[in-house]
Amino acid sequence: EVQLVESGGGLVQPGGSLRLSCAVSGFTFSDHYMDWVRQAPGKGLEWVGRTRNKANSYTTEYAASVKGRFTVSRDASKNSLFLQMNSLETEDTAVYYCVRSQLTSRPYFDFWGQGTLVSVSS
Amino acid sequence: DIQLTQSPSFLSASVGDRVTMTCRASQGIRTSLAWYQQKPGKAPKLLIYSASTLQSGVPSRFSGSGSGTEFTLTISSLQPEDFATYYCQQADSYPLTFGGGTKVESK
Repeated sequence: EVQLVESGGGLVQPGGSLRLSCAVSGFTFSDHYMDWVRQAPGKGLEWVGRTRNKANSYTTEYAASVKGRFTVSRDASKNSLFLQMNSLETEDTAVYYCVRSQLTSRPYFDFWGQGTLVSVSS
Repeated sequence: DIQLTQSPSFLSASVGDRVTMTCRASQGIRTSLAWYQQKPGKAPKLLIYSASTLQSGVPSRFSGSGSGTEFTLTISSLQPEDFATYYCQQADSYPLTFGGGTKVESK
């Protein structure tokens, strides 16, 4: 059974940092692209960033709104995905989802974690 | 960036109705489009990918069509568990983007 379990959310002041983790199980982690998607309270979905699979050297992509502030990484030995968030802004307040992408030519988001809430406020 | 515009934003329907919603892309994305269903307080669920391929385990009353810039999600006979918000998402180019959503409500 595929499982994605996020942790690390919480309240942080503007300008602060936070590191989200996602523990995965039930599939071969290194085979899949992995993403972070967020949802501000009462709003729609926003893609945050991606790490490709081992075959593609775990390269990354980011949304313009977070590029240079957020870093997606993974530890294959621990089956874990991370999102390092620096210079946080109030607009970063959202539920952050860890998401697995399919093994297809255009990877779509086929499994989602339950989400972890990040609140940026003074 | 590719913008996705969903219409309508809200849709009132009854159980048994045939429901159709649209997603328009600001430029051609071939068939690189997915549809997701989200219920309050829950993570989204993949319904359709590559514009028309039904995800495993998704009921056959859901179908998708379209290519290029115009796409449609149809629910052939609305069931009580289908009241939710539906999002489209393009996977043609970075940054990956979502539409603003269509909320299906009970009439």
